[in-house]
Amino acid sequence: QSVLTQPPSVSAAPGQKVTISCSGSSSNIENSYVSWYQQVPGTAPKLLIYENIKRPSRIPDRFSGSKSGTSATLVITGLQTGDEADYYCGSWDTSLSAGLFGGGTKLTVL
Amino acid sequence: QVQLQESGPGLVKPSETLSLTCSVSGGSISSSSYFWGWVRQPPGKGLEFIGNVYYSGDTYYNPSLRSRLTISVDRSKNHFSLKLNSLTAADTAVYYCARLVVPLKAATFDYWGQGILVTVSS
Repeated sequence: QSVLTQPPSVSAAPGQKVTISCSGSSSNIENSYVSWYQQVPGTAPKLLIYENIKRPSRIPDRFSGSKSGTSATLVITGLQTGDEADYYCGSWDTSLSAGLFGGGTKLTVL
Repeated sequence: QVQLQESGPGLVKPSETLSLTCSVSGGSISSSSYFWGWVRQPPGKGLEFIGNVYYSGDTYYNPSLRSRLTISVDRSKNHFSLKLNSLTAADTAVYYCARLVVPLKAATFDYWGQGILVTVSS
C-alpha cells in the first residue's frame, strides 16, 4: 500500500477533462514538491509535471498540476486516445528521507 | 540529451545478490545539480523508489530495502550501480535508473533508462 494515495482508475471521453488526485501527508506533499509521470505499458515513465505546477518544454499545456496542503491534482484537458496510460504522482518524504510514488491511476479514454 | 542505460543479469537465483549498473551519456555524473536513482516496478504493479546517490557518494535509501541495499557511483566511468542482496521472488521487477534533480524535495526524475527486467527464480 502506497503512502501517496491515488484513485485506481479514471475515465472520460475524447475532448473532455479528467482530474487525478494524489493524497499524502505533512511529511511529504505538504512540505515537499509533487511530480507527475505518464507511463504507457511496456515503456519507461515520462515526466509530465514537476515542482507542483511546472511542465517540461516538450509537454503540452493540456497537462497541468496543482497542490494544496497534503494533496495534489493532475488535470488533463482535451483528452486524446493517446493519453491512455498509467499516471503516477511522486514526492519526497522528509521523515523517511526517501522518495515516494503513488499507487498509480489508469486513465481510459472512452 | 542525457541518456541512461541499465545493464546486468536478467535472471538471478533466490538468496543471491543482484548487481546492476547504469551508464550515463550526454552528461556528467559529477554534476552538482543531480542525484542518480533507482526505481523498480514489479510486474503489473506500481513504481517503487529504491534509492539514490550523489556524485560525492551520499546516498538515500528506501527504508524497507536499506538493510539489503548498496548504491554507489563511479565518476571515472560515469556510471552508478546498485547491489541488492538476499533476493526473493518479491524482488522480481523491471529496474529503472533515472536522474533526480536537486533539491531532493523536488522529487523530479527527469530522465529515465529503458528499464531491465530482473527475475528472481531458481
